[in-house]
Amino acid sequence: RKEVEQDPGPFNVPEGATVAFNCTYSNSASQSFFWYRQDCRKEPKLLMSVYSSGNEDGRFTAQLNRASQYISLLIRDSKLSDSATYLCGTGGSYIPTFGRGTSLIVHP
Amino acid sequence: DADVTQTPRNRITKTGKRIMLECSQTKGHDRMYWYRQDPGLGLQLIYYSFDVKDINKGEISDGYSVSRQAQAKFSLSLESAIPNQTALYFCATSATGDQPQHFGDGTRLSIL
Repeated sequence: RKEVEQDPGPFNVPEGATVAFNCTYSNSASQSFFWYRQDCRKEPKLLMSVYSSGNEDGRFTAQLNRASQYISLLIRDSKLSDSATYLCGTGGSYIPTFGRGTSLIVHP
Repeated sequence: DADVTQTPRNRITKTGKRIMLECSQTKGHDRMYWYRQDPGLGLQLIYYSFDVKDINKGEISDGYSVSRQAQAKFSLSLESAIPNQTALYFCATSATGDQPQHFGDGTRLSIL
């Protein structure tokens, strides 16, 4: 079982929709959490860091639930340009771990 | 200029050849990582280094070696390339384990 699990999707949503992804992690010692966006065959780019209960940046909100060991990413008012793969990652005193990513397709 | 630079960006080579992928960074980070990415498998850690004198194997180090020439430079070598090493390779850096990683543009490697 991978340390970080994500539903690969794809999540296929219309423009303007709200969509949420979950990411579960198995290492309870994880201290920091990250969402990255990756476009096809390009490098992952940091979307959001989560160090406490959550974080919000415009249309994007990340929530951390330590009791259930998952992090969620909520995207409101989806744009066509949000189509990408979203990677969840953990950090701490050990080596970082990534999930396999969740694919999002936003259609007109 | 990019903070994390990988060279080459693309490489096609033959089975059995020795290949070196280079990574340099201007972020001043101590931690550097090499990953490979195959479709559907996510990022797999090959090697990582927490400082110049610290090199560690990741989950898939067989067939690979690394060299940390300086804080800013971390090279990945394939001693004798084989076709199943065809993949997209990323170098990344981070300031500490609690900080996010910063990735290079990637190297597309094809081994025939």
